[in-house]
Amino acid sequence: DIQMTQSPSFLSASVGDRVTLSCKASQNINKYLAWYQQKLGEAPKLLIYNANSLQTGIPSRFSGSGSGTDFTLTISSLQPEDVATYFCLQHNSWPNTFGAGTKLELK
Amino acid sequence: EVQLQESGPGLVKPSQSLSLTCSVTGYSITSSYRWNWIRKFPGNKLEWMGYINSAGSTNYNPSLKSRISITRDTSKNQFFLQVNSVTTEDTATYYCARCIIRAPFDYWGQGVMVTV
Repeated sequence: DIQMTQSPSFLSASVGDRVTLSCKASQNINKYLAWYQQKLGEAPKLLIYNANSLQTGIPSRFSGSGSGTDFTLTISSLQPEDVATYFCLQHNSWPNTFGAGTKLELK
Repeated sequence: EVQLQESGPGLVKPSQSLSLTCSVTGYSITSSYRWNWIRKFPGNKLEWMGYINSAGSTNYNPSLKSRISITRDTSKNQFFLQVNSVTTEDTATYYCARCIIRAPFDYWGQGVMVTV
C-alpha cells in the first residue's frame, strides 16, 4: 500500500495568515491527490482533487500544488471557519490511502 | 442533491458481525459511480474498506478481504457493509461515500459510530 505522510500534525495560525500543509506519498501517485476538510461531527468535505483542481463551491483561498510524491495545500488567508482537520488522499491506485491529518487551530 | 446516510447498531459484541446500511438519495446506485465504505478509527486514522460498483461488482481492501462483504438492494437504492468476527480494533466511525474511476470520494455520509 502507498503510505501518505502529512506534516505538521498540528498547526496554530492567526486569522489572515498564509498556511501551508504538506503531504508526501511513499511512491509516485502522479497527480492523483485530494485534500479534505473535516470539522467535528461533520462529513469530510472535498476541497481539492487531482492535486490542484478546486472542487465546485470551495473558496478560492484554498489551492493545491504538487505532483509525483510531494504535495501542498495552501490557504492564502486563514479564516475562523477554516479551523478543522485536513487530510490528504491518494486516489491513484487501490487501496486508496489517507494521510493521518493536520489539525489546524487559531492562535 | 446526492445524499448518503449510514444506519446501523452503535454497539456490537466481539466475535459477532457488524452490519451497516447506506441509504442513497438523489442518485441511482445502478447508474454509475462506485459506492464505498470508509472508516475512521479513534485517533483519526482513515481506512478505505471496499466498494460496490454500479454493475454490482466489488473490490475490497486486502487487509479486510476475508472478513467483509458489501452488497446492495437496488430497489431501495441502498448498499450494505458486513464485517465478520469483529474485535475491539473494529471500533470506528463508519462512512459511506461515492467515487468515480480515478477520482476521489466526493459525497460522504455523516458517519455512524460503532463500538465493539
